[in-house]
Amino acid sequence: GQNIDQPTEMTATEGAIVQINCTYQTSGFNGLFWYQQHAGEAPTFLSYNVLDGLEEKGRFSSFLSRSKGYSYLLLKELQMKDSASYLCAVLLNQAGTALIFGKGTTLSVSS
Amino acid sequence: DSGVTQTPKHLITATGQRVTLRCSPRSGDLSVYWYQQSLDQGLQFLIQYYNGEERAKGNILERFSAQQFPDLHSELNLSSLELGDSALYFCASSVGQTSGNTIYFGEGSWLTVV
Repeated sequence: GQNIDQPTEMTATEGAIVQINCTYQTSGFNGLFWYQQHAGEAPTFLSYNVLDGLEEKGRFSSFLSRSKGYSYLLLKELQMKDSASYLCAVLLNQAGTALIFGKGTTLSVSS
Repeated sequence: DSGVTQTPKHLITATGQRVTLRCSPRSGDLSVYWYQQSLDQGLQFLIQYYNGEERAKGNILERFSAQQFPDLHSELNLSSLELGDSALYFCASSVGQTSGNTIYFGEGSWLTVV
């Protein structure tokens, strides 16, 4: 089976930095995605890592270590609007390109 | 707006009934994916179609079926509905089937089974 683990909930304050971890054990690996999802809305793409290392995109960065089956999403200068669920997803090596998601981490940002 | 269109947005139906959810992918996208999201299970991959053919299958129940038509829109059919089928059903699309393609989600169809 496929296993993707993330913390269920995290809290942080405005202006702070938060790191959301994701570990995975999957039958294949073709890249790791991070999505943001506000309650009741569609997930929106944040980042994609296929090689080890850090990808930086404005206030958001994502890191991948394939040998450790580990990724994290780093959010800097937190804003209230960053309160959302953050979904880690693995792209499997199958005939298709199905993304398998973790259960998500709900981040609450307070003032 | 991702460009992926789903209808209906909300649907309430009774147990034992059958419903059809419809999805139009982004212009130019050949792959369509269906996901189910419930509170306790997170986002579960159901099935993927690429250019009309089934490409990958996830945790899709036998009571559920899907297809992708020549115009690339897709339908997800849910039959013999149970209370536990109440969830948000997302459709997503991507350009192709090779790795690294970002998939874009529609706004979802809320299904409530009563």
